[in-house]
Amino acid sequence: NAGVTQTPKFRVLKTGQSMTLLCAQDMNHEYMYWYRQDPGMGLRLIHYSVGEGTTAKGEVPDGYNVSRLKKQNFLLGLESAAPSQTSVYFCASSPGGSSYNEQFFGPGTRLTVL
Amino acid sequence: GENVEQHPSTLSVQEGDSAVIKCTYSDSASNYFPWYKQELGKRPQLIIDIRSNVGEKKDQRIAVTLNKTAKHFSLHITETQPEDSAVYFCAASEIEGSARQLTFGSGTQLTVLP
Repeated sequence: NAGVTQTPKFRVLKTGQSMTLLCAQDMNHEYMYWYRQDPGMGLRLIHYSVGEGTTAKGEVPDGYNVSRLKKQNFLLGLESAAPSQTSVYFCASSPGGSSYNEQFFGPGTRLTVL
Repeated sequence: GENVEQHPSTLSVQEGDSAVIKCTYSDSASNYFPWYKQELGKRPQLIIDIRSNVGEKKDQRIAVTLNKTAKHFSLHITETQPEDSAVYFCAASEIEGSARQLTFGSGTQLTVLP
């Protein structure tokens, strides 16, 4: 099993450009999450999904959109990138159901917005 | 919403000594407290977790204690080794919550000096 994978690993954008980050998991997990990680600020939740076709806002959702059309994929979109969105983005998934909330993380995407 | 504070932000110890990282949380409904380790350039990985029905849990050189009354929990690493050098994050979650969101602390950079 590949676990949680993210595409791309690195990206450089100019202000105003758009892009989509792809997260895929092969563990049949119900829940999926997008975080951003900035120095000294830990991991902050952007958006999450509790199942196929559902999405919800997290702590820092502004400037991002998400979609979960298939259970195994969770997409994070930036419609008009800003320098403040320069960060490392992590996707995570967890089983849901009656199990505890261990989250499994992807390898991350380092995004720079110029 | 939940707020998790983590101290210290940096910690240096001599190899073989113990390290203690402390976190406090604000939401009394939180009942699941994981700890993640993140090595440089890598993804966060769960190292130990504790649920609110126990006060302490051990796994070899790692232990976590929980004081629900005071709303704080701590990570204890004994006999530290150079490979323990990493950033450690605490988190809190309400297991029965609809999304089981994790709220993370800001992280502790642990350096084990040889």
